Amino acid sequence: QIQLVQSGPELKKPGESLKISCKASGYTFTDYAMQWVKQAPGKGLQYMGWINTQTGKPTYADDFKERFVFSLETSASTAYLQINNLKNEDTATYFCAPTGNWFAYWGQGTLVTVSS
Amino acid sequence: DIQMTQSPSFLSASVGERVTLSCKASQNINKYLDWYQQKLGEAPKLLIYNTNNLHTGIPSRFSGSGSGTDYTLTISSLQPEDVATYFCLQRNSWPRTFGGGTKLELK
Repeated sequence: QIQLVQSGPELKKPGESLKISCKASGYTFTDYAMQWVKQAPGKGLQYMGWINTQTGKPTYADDFKERFVFSLETSASTAYLQINNLKNEDTATYFCAPTGNWFAYWGQGTLVTVSS
Repeated sequence: DIQMTQSPSFLSASVGERVTLSCKASQNINKYLDWYQQKLGEAPKLLIYNTNNLHTGIPSRFSGSGSGTDYTLTISSLQPEDVATYFCLQRNSWPRTFGGGTKLELK
């Protein structure tokens, strides 16, 4: 069965960087693009963008073009989300989701807390 | 970007009641509309894809309909386990956009 296991919660200070991992199993990693979704505490879902797992090309939604980096380690069936120069408003749970079309599978989410 | 507006934001209903949630797009999304259920502390769960297709394992009390800009998720007989927040997502164009959610609770 398809499973997505994300790395654990992070507590960071403003200005620091972090890298979240999303390890996939149960399917061929390059068969599906990997999407990323942000959910601030008590808020709705915000689409961040996706990375083509065959070419490694990332595509970012407008709000995530500056400090966010999607990457892959295909040999390990793992996708990464890096956030640079963290800001308080980056405090959120971040989800990965492999998709052909609809978002049928999701990681469990990684809680990122940014606080001085 | 396509804006997705869900209504109501909050809904209180009784067990067994028929519940209807709405999602309105700012432009035609050609039925590329999915519904997700999110319980507290969990990842979202796909319920319905492409407007009216029930995802595997989802109870038949959930159904979807709509076209153009207006879409609906219906729960035919509300159950206690349906307490959650429901989100719609449009996949007609990029970037994908979610609705703000409807929080459903038991009366």
